[in-house]
Amino acid sequence: DSGVTQTPKHLITATGQRVTLRCSPRSGDLSVYWYQQSLDQGLQFLIQYYNGEERAKGNILERFSAQQFPDLHSELNLSSLELGDSALYFCASGKGGRGTDTQYFGPGTRLTVL
Amino acid sequence: DQQVKQNSPSLSVQEGRISILNCDYTNSMFDYFLWYKKYPAEGPTFLISISSIKDKNEDGRFTVFLNKSAKHLSLHIVPSQPGDSAVYFCAASDIGGSQGNLIFGKGTKLSVKP
Repeated sequence: DSGVTQTPKHLITATGQRVTLRCSPRSGDLSVYWYQQSLDQGLQFLIQYYNGEERAKGNILERFSAQQFPDLHSELNLSSLELGDSALYFCASGKGGRGTDTQYFGPGTRLTVL
Repeated sequence: DQQVKQNSPSLSVQEGRISILNCDYTNSMFDYFLWYKKYPAEGPTFLISISSIKDKNEDGRFTVFLNKSAKHLSLHIVPSQPGDSAVYFCAASDIGGSQGNLIFGKGTKLSVKP
């Protein structure tokens, strides 16, 4: 158990809908990262927050947004969903938010868009 | 364009023998490298890391070797055990930057046969 929790574990929805994925980091970690893993792909970095502020953006679509709240939990919002958004979404947390941080991953949310 | 490449999608090894997983990178700004292990239905778990100022780092049965001139790293597992069967991801970061996100390869599925 990494100490990072993600809810829900599974999500099935229809095209055009909007969903919210939630992540609670390990106690004491200030940084949260979101990654997407599509079929046969590695983990693609989406976005990073550090202590409530956006620190880095990767290949995140404009239809996706995220935020980190004062209690440090984070939410990833996916809207106008398309079939191609079906993937595993992982959240990771780390202490300092820099490149040498060990990132601890949650179990992921499996999103299926029908 | 993939900056971190794991060219072998799968590897099968006999229990007790050595497993060698390879990873190549193209971005010369990368100076910190990590290996993560992933079991089905779980998030990736940190295994071992290496800074670009070193060429080897060892932790128990796991050793990572870095060849900066070739932009190549490898993970050696000796001796391999059936419990090591998992997908192994190579990841890289630029520790000089203010961001902490990791760039992942697509992974190599290791099967250790009893």
